[in-house]
Amino acid sequence: GQNIDQPTEMTATEGAIVQINCTYQTSGFNGLFWYQQHAGEAPTFLSYNVLDGLEEKGRFSSFLSRSKGYSYLLLKELQMKDSASYLCAFQTGANNLFFGTGTRLTVIP
Amino acid sequence: DAGITQSPRHKVTETGTPVTLRCHQTENHRYMYWYRQDPGHGLRLIHYSYGVKDTDKGEVSDGYSVSRSKTEDFLLTLESATSSQTSVYFCAISREDEQYFGPGTRLTVT
Repeated sequence: GQNIDQPTEMTATEGAIVQINCTYQTSGFNGLFWYQQHAGEAPTFLSYNVLDGLEEKGRFSSFLSRSKGYSYLLLKELQMKDSASYLCAFQTGANNLFFGTGTRLTVIP
Repeated sequence: DAGITQSPRHKVTETGTPVTLRCHQTENHRYMYWYRQDPGHGLRLIHYSYGVKDTDKGEVSDGYSVSRSKTEDFLLTLESATSSQTSVYFCAISREDEQYFGPGTRLTVT
């Protein structure tokens, strides 16, 4: 079967670093995506990993280990506007995405 | 901005009535998707399309049908709406392996 696990909620302090973990199980895997979703809005694309390793994009980085079925999203220099839900998803055949339930991050002053 | 619009943005309807949601894109992308998002479930794929008149079922397709007669439009129809179909519906397109989402339609079935 297919499954994704990520923490339901996290809280971190403004200016700090936070790591959001995601573990997955699937028989077909073409890549791992992270999306950000503010309350009441559409998800927006953050990152895409297809090979093992770290992808860095500004304050956000994403890591993938295909052998371990594990990914994380690293957010540095947290800002209040980073308070949002972060969705982990893996890509199967036909470009389809299977999403986790998301991690709600609250950034506090 | 991937040029995706959805209509209507909000709709309240009664159980048993038919409902059609429209997704429109301006960039001529081949793949289009319909998802629903509910608390505790995340985004779940309803149907997707890989070209005009080419569609396939996703994870939660029961009670839904789709049509794509033009590249730019992907329609989602609830033939007879039920309260369990109260949800937020997102359309998405695929651009170079990345999916981009429309603004969403909040549907309430009373």
